[in-house]
Amino acid sequence: GAVVSQHPSWVICKSGTSVKIECRSLDFQATTMFWYRQFPKQSLMLMATSNEGSKATYEQGVEKDKFLINHASLTLSTLTVTSAHPEDSSFYICSARATTGVIPEAFFGQGTRLTVV
Amino acid sequence: QKEVEQNSGPLSVPEGAIASLNCTYSDRGSQSFFWYRQYSGKSPELIMFIYSNGDKEDGRFTAQLNKASQYVSLLIRDSQPSDSATYLCAVGPYGQNFVFGPGTRLSVLP
Repeated sequence: GAVVSQHPSWVICKSGTSVKIECRSLDFQATTMFWYRQFPKQSLMLMATSNEGSKATYEQGVEKDKFLINHASLTLSTLTVTSAHPEDSSFYICSARATTGVIPEAFFGQGTRLTVV
Repeated sequence: QKEVEQNSGPLSVPEGAIASLNCTYSDRGSQSFFWYRQYSGKSPELIMFIYSNGDKEDGRFTAQLNKASQYVSLLIRDSQPSDSATYLCAVGPYGQNFVFGPGTRLSVLP
């Protein structure tokens, strides 16, 4: 299946600093990528939809000025957590849709474990 | 509002038994249905998708779809301890996105 690479897989940062997470589609072009956040023992929560060459669409309750999304090319989207605080500690996962057959599938990156201390 | 519901579990089954995971959805216009497996601390990985009523089998996994009842299930035959994970049901697409259920934790006991 299609491959989505996410980097870094884990990061520890100090409160108040910013962290950038990259999501790359390695063998297909993804005009749309999705960013999720997952807290322990909870399901995936969609944060935003990232569209290549345009502004991201954020879900209700997600601060667009805090979670900056850039989708500069068809294979790369980045999420920057600005002025991170301990409550931002979570598992962040990106995904992209690819049509490998008849049905489009969502392929996920490996996820990034963010710990803010 | 489009909703996808799953029993959060944990669902415990003995090794070798059949595990049955269920999912209901609210939008009758839904076209595609996916089952993902997520191990603790890892990203979800696709197990199967189904888009026609009936059964679809892939190895030890069988997905069952009943659009009239808005119900999709996943059966795991000959369950193994390595199948212990959270199973996410996803429904869509809606625009570009899918809606994920909360997931069911499966525990296969040796």
